[in-house]
Amino acid sequence: AQSVAQPEDQVNVAEGNPLTVKCTYSVSGNPYLFWYVQYPNRGLQFLLKYITGDNLVKGSYGFEAEFNKSQTSFHLKKPSALVSDSALYFCAVRDYGGATNKLIFGTGTLLAVQP
Amino acid sequence: NAGVTQTPKFQVLKTGQSMTLQCAQDMNHEYMSWYRQDPGMGLRLIHYSVGAGITDQGEVPNGYNVSRSTTEDFPLRLLSAAPSQTSVYFCASSLWGLSSYEQYFGPGTRLTVT
Repeated sequence: AQSVAQPEDQVNVAEGNPLTVKCTYSVSGNPYLFWYVQYPNRGLQFLLKYITGDNLVKGSYGFEAEFNKSQTSFHLKKPSALVSDSALYFCAVRDYGGATNKLIFGTGTLLAVQP
Repeated sequence: NAGVTQTPKFQVLKTGQSMTLQCAQDMNHEYMSWYRQDPGMGLRLIHYSVGAGITDQGEVPNGYNVSRSTTEDFPLRLLSAAPSQTSVYFCASSLWGLSSYEQYFGPGTRLTVT
């Protein structure tokens, strides 16, 4: 069965510093991986996805993610954090098999950027 | 485009009551789904639909019913509310097929069952 793990409940970073939010995955075939962000009292917003091709995926708001097949990881990164990046971040993997868009989500990582 | 809309935003129910959470999208998306979000558990899929007249169960379907009579609407019915159904509910929609299309989420409904 497909799954993703986000090993950190919370990540703290100072504004202007680089940030990394970690995600590892387990799939039985080729992974389709996603990152979503949730701001307080809002729905989830799509940030970026990896389907195939370049291991470095660029997304919205200056975020990027690095796909590493050997480490089964898909870490979210940003070179310089903003206070406005503070939010809950979810990694997700598409449930494999069939033409559906079922997503399996991680438990989320709260990013806190201090001014 | 309004995107994905959900009503109500907040709801308090007593145990045993029933209600319907509304979800609508104006992007002509075939795929729609309902998730519940609980602390420390991420989002879990309740039901999904790949088009009008077609629905299927997700990971946690017990206690919920859905129907899809139009492309735009995908209501979620709680048959007899239980405290375990206290949660935040999100509706999402996307194109569907063999490619992995990103999903668009509504703002959520916060449900409390007492």
